[in-house]
Amino acid sequence: DAAVTQKPRYLIKMKGQEAEMKCIPEKGHTAVFWYQQKQSKELKFLIYFQNQQPLDQIDMVKERFSAVCPSSSLCSLGIRTCEAEDSALYLCSSSPGLGYAEQFFGPGTRLTVL
Amino acid sequence: AQSVDQPDAHVTLYEGASLELRCSYSYSAAPYLFWYVQYPGQSLQFLLKYITGDAVVKGTKGFEAEFRKSNSSFNLKKSPAHWSDSAKYFCALEGLIASSSFSKLVFGQGTSLSVVP
Repeated sequence: DAAVTQKPRYLIKMKGQEAEMKCIPEKGHTAVFWYQQKQSKELKFLIYFQNQQPLDQIDMVKERFSAVCPSSSLCSLGIRTCEAEDSALYLCSSSPGLGYAEQFFGPGTRLTVL
Repeated sequence: AQSVDQPDAHVTLYEGASLELRCSYSYSAAPYLFWYVQYPGQSLQFLLKYITGDAVVKGTKGFEAEFRKSNSSFNLKKSPAHWSDSAKYFCALEGLIASSSFSKLVFGQGTSLSVVP
């Protein structure tokens, strides 16, 4: 079973609505990552937190998403105004934050925007 | 800039055959390389990693990978393949985030493997 928890597992929103998904990283992990995966294709990196601070993110996240890690045990990824192109599997992963440590992935939140 | 290329989008082979999934990378420093597997409808699972040392690293589920610095490759291998190995496989490189001492994984496009019984 995944040590990283994501909720909800499925999310359905209408175009224009706000969406929010949560991630509980593995205990003791200081690095948290979010990825977007469409139709089981490649993983698109979205944002990376180290010790709850965002260290790297793509422009799309800056413009349309909201991502925070208010505590070491909870992170969230939000979409301010959903668009059809946002329909995807959103994967959260965590790692100890040390170099060359593998990431552990959660089961993902599947977002469908109608 | 760091990048990972998996040139084969799909690979199909018969059960019992040997499988080899290709991965090449581009990185100016010493690479830390990973393989992950994603079974249908599931999330990613870690298979193995290369940090340093022996060029052949062994991982879970009977997989191993060979690091070749000469041609910047890190191919995944298993023999024999089983129908349950059918999944999508991702190669990844740990690369430094610009202007920081932290790093993140850069993933390849993935290779979908189908093992026919």
